[in-house]
Amino acid sequence: DTEVTQTPKHLVMGMTNKKSLKCEQHMGHRAMYWYKQKAKKPPELMFVYSYEKLSINESVPSRFSPECPNSSLLNLHLHALQPEDSALYLCASTEQYTSGANVLTFGAGSRLTVL
Amino acid sequence: GDSVTQMEGPVTLSEEAFLTINCTYTATGYPSLFWYVQYPGEGLQLLLKATKADDKGSNKGFEATYRKETTSFHLEKGSVQVSDSAVYFCALKEGFKTIFGAGTRLFVKA
Repeated sequence: DTEVTQTPKHLVMGMTNKKSLKCEQHMGHRAMYWYKQKAKKPPELMFVYSYEKLSINESVPSRFSPECPNSSLLNLHLHALQPEDSALYLCASTEQYTSGANVLTFGAGSRLTVL
Repeated sequence: GDSVTQMEGPVTLSEEAFLTINCTYTATGYPSLFWYVQYPGEGLQLLLKATKADDKGSNKGFEATYRKETTSFHLEKGSVQVSDSAVYFCALKEGFKTIFGAGTRLFVKA
């Protein structure tokens, strides 16, 4: 299994809603990432988990709350979002979180629209 | 800090044309270099990589050579197909973080 699976593919939410994005991988990777991608832009790193512990938070607003329940799962909890948070949210994984030439394996993304 | 600069798109080519997408980088040490491709409606996927100077990465007819002297990693393909229409991201990794270029959109016409 060489896939990263993200659900849902599309999500529309109001600014007062609470929702979650989910990501799953069964490649035995020990590092998992959340990226945000706006239209016609490259992905921007949000969070990195290594061995289920948060290693990097790129100064992301607290309305985004990541969670890594186990080595295969990564969630992104969303609350009180703003319309400018509308974007494609990509989950990715690597074998390890190291300084080597690790290749990111991405999921297909969850397209979020905030009304 | 480290950075990646790609040629601006979109690039529009006819089927079977030759493709070059330029990529140059700035880094303090010896980064690994990557090309990722994003097809419409999908996430990014690795196209090819090179980890040291003069390495050539290749996949699906695409090639790129790690040129330390010119700090470049240009992507080439001899004959593009309609199915190659996508956004191509050059990226480097030095340390823990992957740094992406802005992306170059390629349209291939039949």
